[in-house]
Amino acid sequence: EAQVTQNPRYLITVTGKKLTVTCSQNMNHEYMSWYRQDPGLGLRQIYYSMNVEVTDKGDVPEGYKVSRKEKRNFPLILESPSPNQTSLYFCASSPGRSNQPQHFGDGTRLSIL
Amino acid sequence: GQNIDQPTEMTATEGAIVQINCTYQTSGFNGLFWYQQHAGEAPTFLSYNVLDGLEEKGRFSSFLSRSKGYSYLLLKELQMKDSASYLCAVNGNNRLAFGKGNQVVVIP
Repeated sequence: EAQVTQNPRYLITVTGKKLTVTCSQNMNHEYMSWYRQDPGLGLRQIYYSMNVEVTDKGDVPEGYKVSRKEKRNFPLILESPSPNQTSLYFCASSPGRSNQPQHFGDGTRLSIL
Repeated sequence: GQNIDQPTEMTATEGAIVQINCTYQTSGFNGLFWYQQHAGEAPTFLSYNVLDGLEEKGRFSSFLSRSKGYSYLLLKELQMKDSASYLCAVNGNNRLAFGKGNQVVVIP
């Protein structure tokens, strides 16, 4: 089954404790992206990747890092999480052509205390 | 940058028709997507427009006017399961930006 898999689905942690949210897709998609979704603000792009070893900042990259060492994986790293990073996070992928829709993972709900 | 505007919420009756509007400003327009998102779930793709006109897909249709920077999503024969947020997303210069979504509440 074609899918985008995120882990963990839920996490409660404390300020300053490094964490990684993994994202993996099995569709051989070139394009992958991370979004956060907050009430009243909609989906905002954090980082995206056009292909392996190619990453770029989205609209709200501060406090986040990503890597794209393999085509299928695109982890999101919070080196020193803070409470304002409490949010619902989505990973998405697409073939890369502009007319192709993005496929979203089920989301990761992060709470930073 | 990109600017996308959608109304925030509307209520409609089961069986009715509802129109959800989206206006946008962008450079390098490369298509507009509509997604449906149920509360706490991932967005799922509904439709794509890149040329002016109407695209019909079952109960859902989407319209685009590039000169006006305007699109709408039409939901016909509303069902209770259509209660969700509807997101408009614009591809400008190969960057995708989402509107804040329009919450549709379907009542019996």
